[in-house]
Amino acid sequence: NAGVMQNPRHLVRRRGQEARLRCSPMKGHSHVYWYRQLPEEGLKFMVYLQKENIIDESGMPKERFSAEFPKEGPSILRIQQVVRGDSAAYFCASSFSGGAEQFFGPGTRLTVL
Amino acid sequence: QQQVKQSPQSLIVQKGGISIINCAYENTAFDYFPWYQQFPGKGPALLIAIRPDVSEKKEGRFTISFNKSAKQFSLHIMDSQPGDSATYFCAASGIQGAQKLVFGQGTRLTINP
Repeated sequence: NAGVMQNPRHLVRRRGQEARLRCSPMKGHSHVYWYRQLPEEGLKFMVYLQKENIIDESGMPKERFSAEFPKEGPSILRIQQVVRGDSAAYFCASSFSGGAEQFFGPGTRLTVL
Repeated sequence: QQQVKQSPQSLIVQKGGISIINCAYENTAFDYFPWYQQFPGKGPALLIAIRPDVSEKKEGRFTISFNKSAKQFSLHIMDSQPGDSATYFCAASGIQGAQKLVFGQGTRLTINP
């Protein structure tokens, strides 16, 4: 499977717990983007990372949300102390370079009870 | 200025007809305009994209028309088929500048057999 991989596909958390979402980019891609999609809405940019660097985090909430893309392993989007408003589909996309052609993964659907 | 406005919100077309979805933007720094197709429970899939140096791009039954002066672009699906029923998103980004995609609100397309 050469596509963008995300896991878990579905994640249920109770309010106050932590959520960790993982994204493995396409082979050969070193640029990763995270987007959030609320029900019946378009996708909203959250953060853009390259290996070991956050390039643009202008769409990330200031608190509770963090992202990383280590030298080895997948990119991680971490949400601490989740609230019901965090319930959404979170999509990861990757690109070969900083160019705009981005390929999306299947998403992680987070439900906060 | 960072918004992309998409219309209509929903569209019903008969099999064999032409589906037309429109988008408008304000930021003249945008220089890359992709369209994504999303099926329920799946991630967005890149369908076709255009850059402002051309006014039209065609790939199979899908055509993007681009009007730089009006800051508008549209997706035309010729000979629409039931399998085209999905949600379509337009987006925009700046290749030389910000890499993030700014998405329209989406159009839910239904092709009646």
